[in-house]
Order: sequence, then C-alpha cells, then structure tokens
Amino acid sequence: IPLTQSPSSLSASVGDRVTITCRASQAISDFLVWYQQKPGKAPKLLIYAASTLQSGVPSRFSGSGSGTDFTLTISSLQPEDSATYYCQELNSYPLTFGQGTRLEIK
Amino acid sequence: EVQLVESGGGLVQPGKSLRLSCTASGFSFDDYAMHWVRQVPGKGLEWVSGISWNSNTRGYVDSVEGRFTISRDNAKKSLYLQMNSLRVEDTALYYCAKSKGGGDFWSGYSYFDIWGQGTLVTVSS
Repeated sequence: IPLTQSPSSLSASVGDRVTITCRASQAISDFLVWYQQKPGKAPKLLIYAASTLQSGVPSRFSGSGSGTDFTLTISSLQPEDSATYYCQELNSYPLTFGQGTRLEIK
Repeated sequence: EVQLVESGGGLVQPGKSLRLSCTASGFSFDDYAMHWVRQVPGKGLEWVSGISWNSNTRGYVDSVEGRFTISRDNAKKSLYLQMNSLRVEDTALYYCAKSKGGGDFWSGYSYFDIWGQGTLVTVSS
C-alpha cells in the first residue's frame, strides 16, 4: 500500500510545533508506525498503532489518525530532533514505508 | 544489552551470491519474527523479507522473490539472508530488525523496535 509523506523536507526553529503527515492509498485502520532516523544510524521506533508512544520516547512526540490520514507531531522542537522521519504501514505485505521527511533545525 | 549485529556484506559482481548473517543478544530470539530491511545510501527504507519465529512462514518483496532466501537458527540466535543472482539495484545497506509485535508473521505485528547497525552490500562489476 503506497504511502505519501508531506512535506518531503522542512526547516523549523527550536520550540516550534511541527507536523508531518502520512497518507495511505487505501484505508489501513491504525496499522501505522513512525520512525526517526539520524545520519549514520538505524531507524528508531517512535510511535506504533498510529498513536501509541514507544517506551523511552519523549512525550513531545505524538501520533494521530486512522484510515488513510495520519500525523506525527512534535509539540516543542528540540535540537536533537533533527532527523529524517518515516511512516510505515502494517496492513499487508509487502510492508511499505513513506519516502521520508527530512527535518532541519533553523 | 539488547542488540542485533549484522555481518557478511561486501562488494560482489552482478550475478554472484552473498549470505548475510544477523546475531541477536539480550532478548528471547525465538519469541519474535525477524525481518530484513534495506536502504540505498541517502534514500528511503524498503522492507525486503521476514520470517516467523518457527520458520513456518516467510515473505519477500516482489523484486527479490525467487532470488533471496531468509532463514533462521533459533539455537544460534541467528538470522540469515541468502542472496543469489545479485543485481546492481540490490546495492544497499541491509538492516536486520526485530518484530515488536511477536512471533507470528502477521503484518500487524511487523514493526521494528530493535535494529542492527546494518551491513553494506555493493553489487558492481
């Protein structure tokens, strides 16, 4: 199931509220997760079941959505949040990822 | 410490074979399905293959079906990916990843809470 993330990149300031969207080509209930990947590192699971925060992930990260439209929100951007963010659907095989959103800190 | 360590990557000519390995530690390996995910440097993530806890169920992305074989040895806490008939487009960093949801191959369980550091496969003449 193709996933489309937007924007593909963005730049924001420390303290800003940032929202990244992921749209599925067909309804996938809440079978969606979000990862954060920093350069040279493996992806890190942030959110699963569309809105459940993975253990150890700061509470400024949140997810929402169901069906075809999903969002990842960072409530107050921190310098260490500079990374690329990916959504992934779990509705069916082959599993697919969004193309990624590169987040830069101004 | 919970970790996955991949090995076996390298430079290989088109049409040749390579076998990747992934060794787990710090968790009960045979309780979880395991997967391979690849990433062309500077590009996005692509799921490649997965296997259930008991090896009964396996799956592949279409582009590797018939060329790649996933397997596991629970006694050795190891996951493998046998890659045959390699193509230039298989060039990528290959990650081993643990399914957070459990041991079944059900797609709803197939999201990844533990990843290895990756092993680079370069297919070039």
